[in-house]
Amino acid sequence: QKEVEQNSGPLSVPEGAIASLNCTYSDRVSQSFFWYRQYSGKSPELIMSIYSNGDKEDGRFTAQLNKASQYVSLLIRDSQPSDSATYLCAVTRSSNTGKLIFGQGTTLQVKP
Amino acid sequence: NAGVMQNPRHLVRRRGQEARLRCSPMKGHSHVYWYRQLPEEGLKFMVYLQKENIIDESGMPKERFSAEFPKEGPSILRIQQVVRGDSAAYFCASSPPKGGLKVGEQFFGPGTRLTVL
Repeated sequence: QKEVEQNSGPLSVPEGAIASLNCTYSDRVSQSFFWYRQYSGKSPELIMSIYSNGDKEDGRFTAQLNKASQYVSLLIRDSQPSDSATYLCAVTRSSNTGKLIFGQGTTLQVKP
Repeated sequence: NAGVMQNPRHLVRRRGQEARLRCSPMKGHSHVYWYRQLPEEGLKFMVYLQKENIIDESGMPKERFSAEFPKEGPSILRIQQVVRGDSAAYFCASSPPKGGLKVGEQFFGPGTRLTVL
Protein backbone atom coordinates (compact mmCIF):
# COMPACT_ATOMS: atom_id res chain seq x y z
CA GLN A 1 0.00 0.00 0.00
CA LYS A 2 1.37 3.37 -0.97
CA GLU A 3 1.75 5.88 1.83
CA VAL A 4 -0.12 8.57 -0.10
CA GLU A 5 -2.53 7.60 -2.84
CA GLN A 6 -4.15 9.68 -5.52
CA ASN A 7 -6.09 8.79 -8.62
CA SER A 8 -3.73 9.61 -11.49
CA GLY A 9 -6.57 10.76 -13.73
CA PRO A 10 -6.80 12.56 -15.98
CA LEU A 11 -9.73 14.31 -14.37
CA SER A 12 -11.52 16.33 -17.01
CA VAL A 13 -13.97 19.09 -16.10
CA PRO A 14 -15.56 21.87 -18.14
CA GLU A 15 -14.59 25.45 -17.56
CA GLY A 16 -16.55 26.94 -14.68
CA ALA A 17 -17.21 23.62 -12.97
CA ILE A 18 -15.96 22.40 -9.61
CA ALA A 19 -12.97 20.07 -9.73
CA SER A 20 -12.67 17.63 -6.85
CA LEU A 21 -9.31 16.01 -6.16
CA ASN A 22 -8.88 13.30 -3.56
CA CYS A 23 -6.04 11.84 -1.56
CA THR A 24 -5.76 9.13 1.09
CA TYR A 25 -2.84 8.43 3.37
CA SER A 26 -1.90 5.35 5.32
CA ASP A 27 0.03 6.65 8.32
CA ARG A 28 -2.27 7.76 11.13
CA VAL A 29 0.45 9.87 12.75
CA SER A 30 0.56 12.20 9.75
CA GLN A 31 0.31 15.75 11.01
CA SER A 32 0.43 18.22 8.15
CA PHE A 33 -1.13 18.08 4.71
CA PHE A 34 -0.38 20.02 1.58
CA TRP A 35 -1.56 20.46 -1.97
CA TYR A 36 0.92 21.43 -4.64
CA ARG A 37 0.26 22.30 -8.26
CA GLN A 38 2.82 21.32 -10.88
CA TYR A 39 2.67 22.45 -14.47
CA SER A 40 4.43 20.27 -17.01
CA GLY A 41 8.17 20.84 -16.89
CA LYS A 42 7.92 23.15 -13.89
CA SER A 43 8.46 22.83 -10.16
CA PRO A 44 5.74 22.18 -7.56
CA GLU A 45 3.96 25.26 -6.27
CA LEU A 46 2.33 25.22 -2.83
CA ILE A 47 -1.33 26.16 -3.05
CA MET A 48 -2.85 24.94 0.23
CA SER A 49 -1.83 23.64 3.62
CA ILE A 50 -4.18 22.15 6.21
CA TYR A 51 -3.46 20.86 9.68
CA SER A 52 -6.77 20.18 11.45
CA ASN A 53 -10.02 18.46 10.57
CA GLY A 54 -12.50 20.44 8.57
CA ASP A 55 -12.41 22.85 5.65
CA LYS A 56 -9.97 25.58 4.81
CA GLU A 57 -10.79 28.04 2.06
CA ASP A 58 -8.45 30.28 0.09
CA GLY A 59 -9.97 32.01 -2.91
CA ARG A 60 -11.26 29.40 -5.35
CA PHE A 61 -9.55 26.59 -3.44
CA THR A 62 -10.94 24.62 -0.50
CA ALA A 63 -8.98 21.93 1.26
CA GLN A 64 -10.80 19.37 3.36
CA LEU A 65 -9.23 17.10 5.95
CA ASN A 66 -10.74 14.10 7.71
CA LYS A 67 -8.14 12.44 9.92
CA ALA A 68 -10.48 9.67 11.05
CA SER A 69 -10.90 8.57 7.44
CA GLN A 70 -7.29 9.50 6.54
CA TYR A 71 -8.59 11.55 3.67
CA VAL A 72 -7.67 14.92 2.21
CA SER A 73 -9.35 16.63 -0.70
CA LEU A 74 -9.01 19.77 -2.75
CA LEU A 75 -11.92 21.53 -4.39
CA ILE A 76 -11.35 24.06 -7.14
CA ARG A 77 -14.37 26.23 -7.81
CA ASP A 78 -14.97 27.98 -11.13
CA SER A 79 -12.25 25.93 -12.80
CA GLN A 80 -10.24 27.72 -15.46
CA PRO A 81 -8.15 26.29 -18.31
CA SER A 82 -5.12 27.73 -16.48
CA ASP A 83 -5.87 25.30 -13.63
CA SER A 84 -4.92 22.42 -15.93
CA ALA A 85 -1.93 20.85 -14.21
CA THR A 86 -0.93 17.94 -12.01
CA TYR A 87 -2.01 18.31 -8.39
CA LEU A 88 0.19 16.66 -5.80
CA CYS A 89 -0.97 15.71 -2.34
CA ALA A 90 1.78 15.64 0.30
CA VAL A 91 1.87 14.73 3.96
CA THR A 92 4.44 14.97 6.69
CA ARG A 93 4.52 12.86 9.81
CA SER A 94 6.24 15.34 12.04
CA SER A 95 4.60 18.35 13.62
CA ASN A 96 7.91 20.06 13.01
CA THR A 97 9.50 20.50 9.63
CA GLY A 98 10.32 17.21 8.01
CA LYS A 99 10.21 15.30 4.79
CA LEU A 100 7.17 15.46 2.56
CA ILE A 101 5.69 12.22 1.28
CA PHE A 102 4.01 12.80 -2.06
CA GLY A 103 1.29 11.02 -3.91
CA GLN A 104 1.70 10.30 -7.60
CA GLY A 105 -0.45 13.30 -8.49
CA THR A 106 -3.75 13.78 -10.30
CA THR A 107 -3.75 15.38 -13.73
CA LEU A 108 -6.54 17.89 -14.11
CA GLN A 109 -7.75 19.04 -17.51
CA VAL A 110 -10.13 21.98 -17.64
CA LYS A 111 -11.78 22.20 -21.03
CA PRO A 112 -12.93 25.57 -22.38
CA ASN B 1 11.99 38.54 -1.93
CA ALA B 2 13.87 35.97 -3.96
CA GLY B 3 12.61 32.43 -3.93
CA VAL B 4 14.60 29.24 -3.78
CA MET B 5 17.39 29.32 -6.31
CA GLN B 6 18.92 26.33 -8.02
CA ASN B 7 21.68 26.04 -10.52
CA PRO B 8 22.37 24.90 -13.04
CA ARG B 9 18.88 24.56 -14.47
CA HIS B 10 20.05 21.95 -16.95
CA LEU B 11 23.06 19.70 -16.59
CA VAL B 12 24.35 17.12 -19.05
CA ARG B 13 26.90 14.57 -17.93
CA ARG B 14 28.42 11.45 -19.43
CA ARG B 15 28.35 8.19 -17.55
CA GLY B 16 31.02 8.11 -14.89
CA GLN B 17 31.28 11.88 -14.46
CA GLU B 18 30.30 13.84 -11.37
CA ALA B 19 27.27 16.08 -11.05
CA ARG B 20 27.05 18.96 -8.57
CA LEU B 21 23.72 20.60 -8.00
CA ARG B 22 23.43 23.78 -5.97
CA CYS B 23 20.57 25.24 -3.97
CA SER B 24 20.19 28.53 -2.13
CA PRO B 25 17.15 28.62 0.17
CA MET B 26 14.72 31.49 0.48
CA LYS B 27 15.86 34.37 2.65
CA GLY B 28 15.20 33.57 6.28
CA HIS B 29 14.83 29.82 5.67
CA SER B 30 17.17 27.51 7.48
CA HIS B 31 15.92 24.11 6.32
CA VAL B 32 16.75 22.59 2.96
CA TYR B 33 15.31 19.47 1.37
CA TRP B 34 16.25 17.66 -1.82
CA TYR B 35 13.74 15.67 -3.86
CA ARG B 36 14.09 13.68 -7.05
CA GLN B 37 11.46 13.25 -9.73
CA LEU B 38 12.14 10.48 -12.20
CA PRO B 39 10.34 10.57 -15.56
CA GLU B 40 6.69 9.62 -15.12
CA GLU B 41 7.18 9.13 -11.39
CA GLY B 42 6.31 11.08 -8.30
CA LEU B 43 8.51 13.26 -6.15
CA LYS B 44 10.70 11.28 -3.78
CA PHE B 45 12.40 12.71 -0.72
CA MET B 46 16.16 12.36 -0.63
CA VAL B 47 17.66 14.37 2.22
CA TYR B 48 16.88 17.10 4.77
CA LEU B 49 19.60 19.43 5.96
CA GLN B 50 20.12 22.39 8.22
CA LYS B 51 23.29 24.44 8.30
CA GLU B 52 26.23 22.06 8.79
CA ASN B 53 23.91 19.19 9.73
CA ILE B 54 22.23 16.33 7.91
CA ILE B 55 18.92 15.78 9.72
CA ASP B 56 17.39 12.98 7.66
CA GLU B 57 19.04 11.16 4.77
CA SER B 58 16.68 8.21 4.68
CA GLY B 59 15.91 8.77 1.00
CA MET B 60 19.47 8.99 -0.25
CA PRO B 61 20.87 6.09 -2.27
CA LYS B 62 23.57 4.36 -0.26
CA GLU B 63 26.31 4.94 -2.78
CA ARG B 64 27.47 7.79 -5.01
CA PHE B 65 25.12 10.41 -3.53
CA SER B 66 26.02 12.95 -0.88
CA ALA B 67 24.69 16.29 0.30
CA GLU B 68 25.92 19.17 2.39
CA PHE B 69 24.75 22.56 3.59
CA PRO B 70 27.80 24.45 4.77
CA LYS B 71 27.82 27.39 7.14
CA GLU B 72 28.44 29.69 4.22
CA GLY B 73 27.15 29.17 0.71
CA PRO B 74 24.54 27.02 -0.96
CA SER B 75 23.52 23.46 -0.28
CA ILE B 76 25.18 20.99 -2.66
CA LEU B 77 23.86 17.66 -3.88
CA ARG B 78 26.71 15.65 -5.32
CA ILE B 79 26.36 12.59 -7.50
CA GLN B 80 29.54 10.71 -8.26
CA GLN B 81 30.03 8.40 -11.23
CA VAL B 82 26.63 9.14 -12.71
CA VAL B 83 24.66 6.45 -14.50
CA ARG B 84 21.77 6.79 -16.94
CA GLY B 85 19.29 5.96 -14.20
CA ASP B 86 20.27 9.18 -12.41
CA SER B 87 18.64 11.21 -15.19
CA ALA B 88 15.84 13.07 -13.45
CA ALA B 89 14.67 16.43 -12.19
CA TYR B 90 16.21 17.31 -8.85
CA PHE B 91 14.29 19.80 -6.78
CA CYS B 92 15.39 21.67 -3.74
CA ALA B 93 12.89 23.05 -1.25
CA SER B 94 13.29 25.24 1.79
CA SER B 95 11.21 26.00 4.84
CA PRO B 96 11.39 28.56 7.63
CA PRO B 97 12.68 27.79 11.12
CA LYS B 98 10.51 25.74 13.46
CA GLY B 99 7.85 27.47 15.50
CA GLY B 100 6.11 29.31 12.72
CA LEU B 101 2.39 29.20 12.13
CA LYS B 102 2.59 27.32 8.86
CA VAL B 103 4.40 24.26 10.06
CA GLY B 104 6.08 22.19 7.43
CA GLU B 105 5.38 24.36 4.41
CA GLN B 106 8.12 23.86 1.86
CA PHE B 107 8.80 26.05 -1.14
CA PHE B 108 10.42 24.59 -4.19
CA GLY B 109 13.09 25.89 -6.47
CA PRO B 110 12.92 25.60 -10.27
CA GLY B 111 14.86 22.34 -10.28
CA THR B 112 17.89 21.00 -12.07
CA ARG B 113 17.23 18.68 -14.97
CA LEU B 114 20.07 16.17 -15.09
CA THR B 115 20.62 14.21 -18.26
CA VAL B 116 23.18 11.42 -18.28
CA LEU B 117 24.37 10.38 -21.72
